[in-house]
Amino acid sequence: GESVGLHLPTLSVQEGDNSIINCAYSNSASDYFIWYKQESGKGPQFIIDIRSNMDKRQGQRVTVLLNKTVKHLSLQIAATQPGDSAVYFCAENPNDYKLSFGAGTTVTVRA
Amino acid sequence: DARVTQTPRHKVTEMGQEVTMRCQPILGHNTVFWYRQTMMQGLELLAYFRNRAPLDDSGMPKDRFSAEMPDATLATLKIQPSEPRDSAVYFCASGSGEGEKLFFGSGTQLSVL
Repeated sequence: GESVGLHLPTLSVQEGDNSIINCAYSNSASDYFIWYKQESGKGPQFIIDIRSNMDKRQGQRVTVLLNKTVKHLSLQIAATQPGDSAVYFCAENPNDYKLSFGAGTTVTVRA
Repeated sequence: DARVTQTPRHKVTEMGQEVTMRCQPILGHNTVFWYRQTMMQGLELLAYFRNRAPLDDSGMPKDRFSAEMPDATLATLKIQPSEPRDSAVYFCASGSGEGEKLFFGSGTQLSVL
């Protein structure tokens, strides 16, 4: 999952399996959360978002779960594909304009 | 397909030189952000504009960095003089309002020798 500091968490997943990426956010006032995917040499790309009045949201092959009680966010990727290999960031917005990004989780998909 | 466009993609320069990075936000977006990404610090917010007005540049070293939006289609980030510690990837992002998702450009990879 996400962490503060220099060490980037990693997740190795077999192609076809489901992936779960975790993120602990810090600000209880945050009311908007986003997951971004960053491939090598590219900018962060929006995947899915969720507002604090929801606890689950689904997209295409992705699901975001929000647990406000423990300030935890997760991203589930179904049937992981080689193209899912990337660094995944969660970001929180504590009810203002600033998005605060986590350190990122590197996902590697094994063929 | 609307996207944020950044130029140049790569820049190698010598310490002490001026560097200018440019960004064209998505048409119709009224918020523009500059971020810097390094392995050590991750994504750091440098500056934020809303409707072309600078609202927050607290993340920027004021003595050498400056950010402007001459018009709604152009945002610039300048470093003068550049230093080796400025080496990083600089991203521009735009959004349609506060509390909304941001769309990022492909970044400018800056190397200061």
